[in-house]
Amino acid sequence: KNQVEQSPQSLIILEGKNCTLQCNYTVSPFSNLRWYKQDTGRGPVSLTIMTFSENTKSNGRYTATLDADTKQSSLHITASQLSDSASYICVVSPNTGTASKLTFGTGTRLQVTL
Amino acid sequence: NAGVTQTPKFRVLKTGQSMTLLCAQDMNHEYMYWYRQDPGMGLRLIHYSVGEGTTAKGEVPDGYNVSRLKKQNFLLGLESAAPSQTSVYFCASIRTGEGNEQFFGPGTRLTVL
Repeated sequence: KNQVEQSPQSLIILEGKNCTLQCNYTVSPFSNLRWYKQDTGRGPVSLTIMTFSENTKSNGRYTATLDADTKQSSLHITASQLSDSASYICVVSPNTGTASKLTFGTGTRLQVTL
Repeated sequence: NAGVTQTPKFRVLKTGQSMTLLCAQDMNHEYMYWYRQDPGMGLRLIHYSVGEGTTAKGEVPDGYNVSRLKKQNFLLGLESAAPSQTSVYFCASIRTGEGNEQFFGPGTRLTVL
């Protein structure tokens, strides 16, 4: 069964600090992996997408890495801000079809405090 | 562009009542999806549509029906609501290509008493 596991479940960090969120998946075949940010009471918004051949991709202070051999991805947040407080969801796609086979992780809830 | 909008934002139903959730998108996307999000679980696909007039079942379709009469609208219906359907419902549409990025609506919080 395709699965996406994220860790930690929740995380509290001080503003300005860095943090790394983890995503392990068993989805096969693999097409791409996305990280979404979901603010409280809002829908998820895409941060990055990574395909099989990509090792790292950045979007501002967010940097995602992918190791397709070990089926692991991480999302690194640099110099965290209060606005980074949200849930971060890892989503793996097995193909480039209708997106009906996406596998969603349960998310990591990040809280950035003063 | 408004993107993906959902109506209503909140709703409380009694067991056995029916309701329809409306999703609208103004991005001319072909594919649209309905998910539910429950605490401790990832988003789960209820139904989806690959074009006007088409619908298909997702992972958890029981107790729900959908219709896509117009390309921009995707309706989710609950004929006889049950407490197990208490959840937050998200609609999404896809921009094809570029890894099929999904654009999500703001969600509808439904409570069934």
